[in-house]
Amino acid sequence: GNSVTQMEGPVTLSEEAFLTINCTYTATGYPSLFWYVQYPGEGLQLLLKATKADDKGSNKGFEATYRKETTSFHLEKGSVQVSDSAVYFCAPLPKNRDDKIIFGKGTRLHILP
Amino acid sequence: DAGITQSPRYKITETGRQVTLMCHQTWSHSYMFWYRQDLGHGLRLIYYSAAADITDKGEVPDGYVVSRSKTENFPLTLESATRSQTSVYFCASSDSFSYNSPLHFGNGTRLTVT
Repeated sequence: GNSVTQMEGPVTLSEEAFLTINCTYTATGYPSLFWYVQYPGEGLQLLLKATKADDKGSNKGFEATYRKETTSFHLEKGSVQVSDSAVYFCAPLPKNRDDKIIFGKGTRLHILP
Repeated sequence: DAGITQSPRYKITETGRQVTLMCHQTWSHSYMFWYRQDLGHGLRLIYYSAAADITDKGEVPDGYVVSRSKTENFPLTLESATRSQTSVYFCASSDSFSYNSPLHFGNGTRLTVT
């Protein structure tokens, strides 16, 4: 079946540090790939997406590139802010409608001022 | 306002009681989902629905029942609550299963079973 592996958290960084959160997946075919962010007390919201190989999704200074050869979709940001403290989820969207939409376990990010 | 709303926001119940968590969306999205969020497990899919009157099991359906008589509502019922069902429950919707359609989440219901 499909699966998602994210790096374990929590990740603690100082403000303006470089961020990488790793995500690898196994899926049938080539799914679309999404990163969601969850701020405290809220539901998940879409952060960025990529729908085909070599696509780069970007939003709010975050980027992720769809790497078909390594089945990865690592999230990066060049200079994090305290307001980026949240939980981040990687989620492939399968092409086959019979496959379930599953999420990684989430990576909690703490940014220190 | 348009969106997806869950109620109640917080619920405390006793073991063995029946509990229903409500989810309502105003977009007329075809797909709706229920997830539970637990430390160490992330988000796990309980049930989902592709349209009114069509539902299917997710990863962890045992102990839960869903219905979808109207497109906009997707209630989740715990028939006889157990302590292991203490969790935060999220409802989500999507307009299609296409490559470009993200899920839209409600703000969750925090359920405590004592």
